[in-house]
Amino acid sequence: SQTIHQWPATLVQPVGSPLSLECTVEGTSNPNLYWYRQAAGRGLQLLFYSVGIGQISSEVPQNLSASRPQDRQFILSSKKLLLSDSGFYLCAWSAGGTTQYFGPGTRLTVL
Amino acid sequence: SQQGEEDPQALSIQEGENATMNCSYKTSINNLQWYRQNSGRGLVHLILIRSNEREKHSGRLRVTLDTSKKSSSLLITASRAADTASYFCATDPSGGYQKVTFGTGTKLQVIP
Repeated sequence: SQTIHQWPATLVQPVGSPLSLECTVEGTSNPNLYWYRQAAGRGLQLLFYSVGIGQISSEVPQNLSASRPQDRQFILSSKKLLLSDSGFYLCAWSAGGTTQYFGPGTRLTVL
Repeated sequence: SQQGEEDPQALSIQEGENATMNCSYKTSINNLQWYRQNSGRGLVHLILIRSNEREKHSGRLRVTLDTSKKSSSLLITASRAADTASYFCATDPSGGYQKVTFGTGTKLQVIP
């Protein structure tokens, strides 16, 4: 069966510090991968999606970036965090269809 | 921009009652999904209904889709305290690729 992992689970970072969140998927090959951000009590905002290694599409211009160095690894990064980057970050995968399967999320607080 | 918008934003019911949540969207879709999110957790897929379907059941869940009104509803029958969560609709626009758009969610509280 397929599983998706995210780490860390929680993170507290100062403004201006770098960020690296990692997501890995097991049990499937060539998944579509997604990064979402969810503000408190709000819906999901799609940040990036990837249909293959090295292929990243950005949905929202911002100081975040994403990379897919391996087939089942998706990384969300920032060189300098802003206060507005605080939120709940969710990674998801799909097998090319519509249904997405989500990881447990990372709670990021920027102080 | 958000494609789907859920209504109500919050709902509080007694255990055993039915819970109904609605989703409205703006453009033509291939399908519509409902997801559930427990507090502080990831989303879990509940059910998918295609644009040519009008009603679908899964256990205590009943989903309807009215493409003429661009709306869907999720009914949870005989609710349980464990159903307490936020529920999101997600639409897959016609002609789009992989850009499923999530609504803002309905926060359901089931009181034991």
